[in-house]
Amino acid sequence: QVQLQQWGAGLLKPSETLSLTCAVYVGSFSDNTWNWIRQPPGKGLEWIAEINHSGDTSYNPSLNSRVSMSVDTSKNQFSLRLRSVTAADTGVYFCARGRRDRCWGGGCDPNYYYYYMDVWGSGTTVTVSS
Amino acid sequence: DIQMTQSPSTLSASVGDRVTITCRASQNINILLAWYQQKPGKVPKLLIYKASNLQSGVPSRFSGSGSGTEFTLTISSLQPDDFATYYCQQYKSNYNFGQGTKLEIE
Repeated sequence: QVQLQQWGAGLLKPSETLSLTCAVYVGSFSDNTWNWIRQPPGKGLEWIAEINHSGDTSYNPSLNSRVSMSVDTSKNQFSLRLRSVTAADTGVYFCARGRRDRCWGGGCDPNYYYYYMDVWGSGTTVTVSS
Repeated sequence: DIQMTQSPSTLSASVGDRVTITCRASQNINILLAWYQQKPGKVPKLLIYKASNLQSGVPSRFSGSGSGTEFTLTISSLQPDDFATYYCQQYKSNYNFGQGTKLEIE
């Protein structure tokens, strides 16, 4: 069954704003974090941003000036906006759950939660072209 | 920013082989490392978290080890379904992926 369902515009012109949304149908919306990751054609994975149910965000420093995330807890949805896109923003964009975990041993601080990405959306292909 | 470096970038192997992929972090990440498998056109699949914990449903031929800055993913006996690209990812401070290791049929 669908666990993360994502959608958004797939074709953009340079300078436009990319907008994607992901609906969550798995687990606790409040216990976990929610992420966006992208993959340019033929290249590797790049983390973009993370948000929790309270709206606290963390962004990739390389995209920080253009990116924002928001959350709608009434719908269990979260969204990504990336401003002023260029051809370099072309790729597949995935949403993913950050699964809450504690870490004992291995030098970890057991007082903190850490989050690993265990459930991913199916991906949205975004093409930026004039 | 924590840099993650995988080696090799490409690995050729045969069914039944034992293979190891290495991932190095630019600073201490304790055991906060995950491994993912991705096939062409597909969604990344979590294999290992916290360096050595096998994700539910993942075959036991996959194993992970390491701590601090050096980690390995081992496949004990390659199966045809294992030919894919593998990524490591640190999650101690934000998230950073390695550049990927493509596992090819020899």
